[in-house]
Amino acid sequence: ELKVEQNPLFLSMQEGKNYTIYCNYSTTSDRLYWYRQDPGKSLESLFVLLSNGAVKQEGRLMASLDTKARLSTLHITAAVHDLSATYFCAVDVGGSQGNLIFGKGTKLSVKP
Amino acid sequence: DAGVIQSPRHEVTEMGQEVTLRCKPISGHDYLFWYRQTMMRGLELLIYFNNNVPIDDSGMPEDRFSAKMPNASFSTLKIQPSEPRDSAVYFCASSPILDGGSYEQYFGPGTRLTVT
Repeated sequence: ELKVEQNPLFLSMQEGKNYTIYCNYSTTSDRLYWYRQDPGKSLESLFVLLSNGAVKQEGRLMASLDTKARLSTLHITAAVHDLSATYFCAVDVGGSQGNLIFGKGTKLSVKP
Repeated sequence: DAGVIQSPRHEVTEMGQEVTLRCKPISGHDYLFWYRQTMMRGLELLIYFNNNVPIDDSGMPEDRFSAKMPNASFSTLKIQPSEPRDSAVYFCASSPILDGGSYEQYFGPGTRLTVT
């Protein structure tokens, strides 16, 4: 059974600081997704990582995938308050099954 | 595209009543997913369909829950009878199959269900 673990689950950081959220998964997969959820809102796709070594960047967020280590990271650079949200990683089960296994999410709070 | 559409957005009902949640996926998407999100249990996959056929319903909590997808543009999730512990936000998501096998899911706005 594929398991996806995120850490930390809660992250409080100050504006201007850097930090990394980690996503570990238990079985082989080469497709990983990051989503953002604002309070009371739906999940919004941030990044799609489709191969080992894939790196995507959008603004102050950068995501990477190491399929050999079964690890993805979401790096936050010079955090701002607008980045406060819950971030989920999700791993493709593989084959033609089509479903994703989601981590529990990391609740990020950026304080001035 | 309008994105995934869900209705109603909010539902308040009394224990024992039947509740029907509706979802219209993005046109052309092959997969449709129903999720439930609570503070205690997080995001749970309830059931998903591929080309209108249920593939995995192992996440459906019990027989009170049922889901149908009569055609490519409509799905329902029904709870009968509803109980207070069913209170949650229910999300519908759809995904296409892209080159390389990517299954990026697009989520609807959710239905906030409160059972009193």
